[in-house]
Amino acid sequence: DAGVIQSPRHEVTEMGQEVTLRCKPISGHDYLFWYRQTMMRGLELLIYFNNNVPIDDSGMPEDRFSAKMPNASFSTLKIQPSEPRDSAVYFCASRQGAGDTQYFGPGTRLTVL
Amino acid sequence: QQQVKQSPQSLIVQKGGISIINCAYENTAFDYFPWYQQFPGKGPALLIAIRPDVSEKKEGRFTISFNKSAKQFSLHIMDSQPGDSATYFCAASRFKAAGNKLTFGGGTRVLVKP
Repeated sequence: DAGVIQSPRHEVTEMGQEVTLRCKPISGHDYLFWYRQTMMRGLELLIYFNNNVPIDDSGMPEDRFSAKMPNASFSTLKIQPSEPRDSAVYFCASRQGAGDTQYFGPGTRLTVL
Repeated sequence: QQQVKQSPQSLIVQKGGISIINCAYENTAFDYFPWYQQFPGKGPALLIAIRPDVSEKKEGRFTISFNKSAKQFSLHIMDSQPGDSATYFCAASRFKAAGNKLTFGGGTRVLVKP
């Protein structure tokens, strides 16, 4: 299994630009989680999906952030417009059912200038 | 509000020594306590986890100790090796709640000197 796949691995953009991060979960996993990691705030859960349906988006910081999961094998996290304080590493993780293990992708390092 | 507090933020240990990382939680509804290991440039990976029906769980050189009354749990890394140098995160969740969402501690950067 290839594990959770995220793209791009690195993204550098300018303030005000739209950013789209992509995630392919492990096949057969029905839960998908988006996290943000910063030095100041650590690992924060932004949103999670179950069977492609957003269940809890209480961690999404602002309306500038949106996430979609059009099918079981693809999810996006979009930031529009981006701001320098959005600079962070964004992780996608997936899990099978109510099992205990979340499998994380390698992350996307976002830098907003 | 940080619901899981982790300490220390960093530690340095000699090869063969014991690394100890502590976590405290506030929500008494939490009943699942995993530890994740993260190497530079990689995503976190599950290392070991414990449920509150036991006070200790050991897997190889890694041991979780759990104190329900104190709402604390810790990770002990015995015979620490340079390959254990990584950032370690404790987490907590309500295992059977919707989504089993993890709340992470702030992380501990461990450096094992050869």
